[in-house]
Amino acid sequence: DTGVSQNPRHKITKRGQNVTFRCDPISEHNRLYWYRQTLGQGPEFLTYFQNEAQLEKSRLLSDRFSAERPKGSFSTLEIQRTEQGDSAMYLCASSLLQGRNTDTQYFGPGTRLTVL
Amino acid sequence: AQKVTQAQTEISVVEKEDVTLDCVYETRDTTYYLFWYKQPPSGELVFLIRRNSFDEQNEISGRYSWNFQKSTSSFNFTITASQVVDSAVYFCALSEIGSSGDKLTFGTGTRLAVRP
Repeated sequence: DTGVSQNPRHKITKRGQNVTFRCDPISEHNRLYWYRQTLGQGPEFLTYFQNEAQLEKSRLLSDRFSAERPKGSFSTLEIQRTEQGDSAMYLCASSLLQGRNTDTQYFGPGTRLTVL
Repeated sequence: AQKVTQAQTEISVVEKEDVTLDCVYETRDTTYYLFWYKQPPSGELVFLIRRNSFDEQNEISGRYSWNFQKSTSSFNFTITASQVVDSAVYFCALSEIGSSGDKLTFGTGTRLAVRP
């Protein structure tokens, strides 16, 4: 049984460049979440998908951020025109919603972004 | 709005000591889940426990135990006979059932260092 995977694990980029991260959830999990974690803080919610539909976006998700989950399986998070303030760990989690009951969110290893 | 407070930023203990990590939460909902996650130096968030707001029974799992008290809005975590491998950052989190996709609100974490 494979867990949540994320690629790349590390990304170093120059300010102004675009970056894209990928998350592969646990198979059969229909919910997928993105969180951002900065140094010394807990993860903060960015957005989530139920199957392929993006149902909520946090105010933290500026217009430069876009997320997709085209076939309800893997998801991508793109950041355009990166800024130094985007430097953080980007965490993906998945869970299974059955009826009204949501299972626990299981996290991937994260993608650490450094913007120079 | 929901909020999780972990007042202890860092705790250092000697191996075999018992240690308690505090978590206090705020929510206006009557139905919610509480969680503890462990984040070792590798960075991946590891799920430890989930507790429903209707279930105030304490839980024990090996060296780990959790004390949930709705009267004081606390969900504390105790490690008995700590080991060096317990060294990590521990996060308490809250989700309000059925709202906003059950997104998690995390505390700022408690860094636990267990010295040999």
